[in-house]
Order: sequence, then structure tokens, then C-alpha cells
Amino acid sequence: GNSVTQMEGPVTLSEEAFLTINCTYTATGYPSLFWYVQYPGEGLQLLLKATKADDKGSNKGFEATYRKETTSFHLEKGSVQVSDSAVYFCALSGLSNTGKLIFGQGTTLQVKP
Amino acid sequence: GAGVSQSPSNKVTEKGKDVELRCDPISGHTALYWYRQSLGQGLEFLIYFQGNSAPDKSGLPSDRFSAERTGGSVSTLTIQRTQQEDSAVYLCASSPETGSSYEQYFGPGTRLTVT
Repeated sequence: GNSVTQMEGPVTLSEEAFLTINCTYTATGYPSLFWYVQYPGEGLQLLLKATKADDKGSNKGFEATYRKETTSFHLEKGSVQVSDSAVYFCALSGLSNTGKLIFGQGTTLQVKP
Repeated sequence: GAGVSQSPSNKVTEKGKDVELRCDPISGHTALYWYRQSLGQGLEFLIYFQGNSAPDKSGLPSDRFSAERTGGSVSTLTIQRTQQEDSAVYLCASSPETGSSYEQYFGPGTRLTVT
């Protein structure tokens, strides 16, 4: 079946460190890929997305590239801030005509000053 | 403008009772989704509405779960005879149209605790 696998957390980094959160997917077709973020006490919000192979999504200094050959969509940021502390979810959609999202398990990021 | 709202924000109920969870989507959004976030299962899809119709109910875990949407707006998720494994955060999301190119906007969720 269709699924998303993320690296397990928590991930703890010092401010200004480089961030990578790995995400791989299994899909029977050609999905769109997303990263959602959940800040403490807030709802889920879209961080970035990519709709086809080799597309790069970017927002707020975060980037992820849709790699069809490795079925991956790893999230990266060059220099994290304390305010980036949150739970990050990788997700896919577009394999049915409903638009429903299939999420990974989520990765908690904690950035220390 | 107003985002997706959900009520109640927290609900504690006894095992065996019925509960109703409400979602008010963003005005004009035709697509509405319910998801469940639990420790053991992560974030999982429950049901999708296009207008008042629910063409995809594949994520509902049992026949104790049902949902409806009226007037193309408000949706209610009902859980009958609640069980402890129903304890989770129930999230609602809406989207202007159906499809992966449209962003889903999430509400703050309803935290359900079954004692």
C-alpha cells in the first residue's frame, strides 16, 4: 500500500546547526509530496510541497526535493533557530481523486540556544 | 479571515457514551477532511467530504464512527459507544477544492479522552 516513513525523533540540535529530516515513500502512482509542521499549541500547517519529480519546495529557509529515483523527500535547513522547534510531518497525496493525505509518523525537532 | 474551527477543544467521556465533534470549515471550501492523531497510529485519514457527500469513508475504523456534513459547511463526527482506543486528537481540515494541488487548512483539533 501507499505509505510514508520518516526518521524517528526526537532530533535535538543547537541553534544554527544544519537540519536534515529523512522521508521516504511507497506509492503505486505519482504522488504530490508535502511537509507539514505543528508548532507547540498550534494546528498543523503546510510548510512546503512538490508536485512532480525533481521539483524543489521551499519556505522559511526549509527545502525539500522530490526524488523519484530514491522515493525520497528529505527536509533540510541550513541554520535552524529555536523557533523551528516543532513536530514535522511528511505526507503524500494525489493517488486518489479525494486529495486525502497519508502522513508519516512525525519527527519532533528541538532546537537549543 | 477565520480559519477552521473545531469544538469542543477537549472532551472527556466515559467508556460506552456517544460523543459528537464539530468542525466549521473555512467559508466557501468545498472539500472537508477528518483525520485522527493518536500516539500509536500517528496521523490517519478518516473521511472525506465533497460538498455534503462523503465519497471516501475508507478510514473510519469501525461502524461506531459516522460523520455528516450539512449545507456544504459544518461537519459533525459522531462516535458511538466510545472505547478507550478512541482516545486521540481529532483534526478537521478544509480545502477550496479537491485535489493535491490545493492546500488543506487544519483546525486546532478536539482532544478526546475516553475513561
